[in-house]
Amino acid sequence: SQTIHQWPATLVQPVGSPLSLECTVEGTSNPNLYWYRQAAGRGLQLLFYSVGIGQISSEVPQNLSASRPQDRQFILSSKKLLLSDSGFYLCAWSPDREAEAFFGQGTRLTVV
Amino acid sequence: GNSVTQMEGPVTLSEEAFLTINCTYTATGYPSLFWYVQYPGEGLQLLLKATKADDKGSNKGFEATYRKETTSFHLEKGSVQVSDSAVYFCALSNTGGFKTIFGAGTRLFVKA
Repeated sequence: SQTIHQWPATLVQPVGSPLSLECTVEGTSNPNLYWYRQAAGRGLQLLFYSVGIGQISSEVPQNLSASRPQDRQFILSSKKLLLSDSGFYLCAWSPDREAEAFFGQGTRLTVV
Repeated sequence: GNSVTQMEGPVTLSEEAFLTINCTYTATGYPSLFWYVQYPGEGLQLLLKATKADDKGSNKGFEATYRKETTSFHLEKGSVQVSDSAVYFCALSNTGGFKTIFGAGTRLFVKA
């Protein structure tokens, strides 16, 4: 069966520090991968999606970047965090463009 | 572009009350429609889905019918329980893209 792992679960980082959140999927190949952000009390904002290794599409210009160095690995990064980067970050995967998405447990990031 | 609009919350109900959470969408083509549920501190889980007009998705007593004529996918449950307290997201996935579009989410509180 397929599983998705996302870590860390919680993170507190100072303003200006770098960020790296990692997500891996097991039990499938060539998944579509997604990073979403959920601000407190708000809906999900799609940040990045990827349909293959090295293929990244950005939905919203911002302080973040994403990379897909391997088929089932998706990384969210920032060189210098801002206070506004605080939120709940969710990684997800889907087998194809019309299928449901399967989510990781999320990372709660607090920038102080 | 594609979008999803769902009723604002929070919705507060007593146990065994009837639940309706409205969801309407805008999309080109024939999207698949989903309801996801998010329990506190967790990622999202798929609750139910429908892939074509007039399909009814159902799970755990919840149901929603894909209404193309009204572009709606309202979530209903005949008798809610305290354990149903969560945030519910309506979403669509379209043939024209590689991403799932989410509504803003509706928080449900069920009182004993």
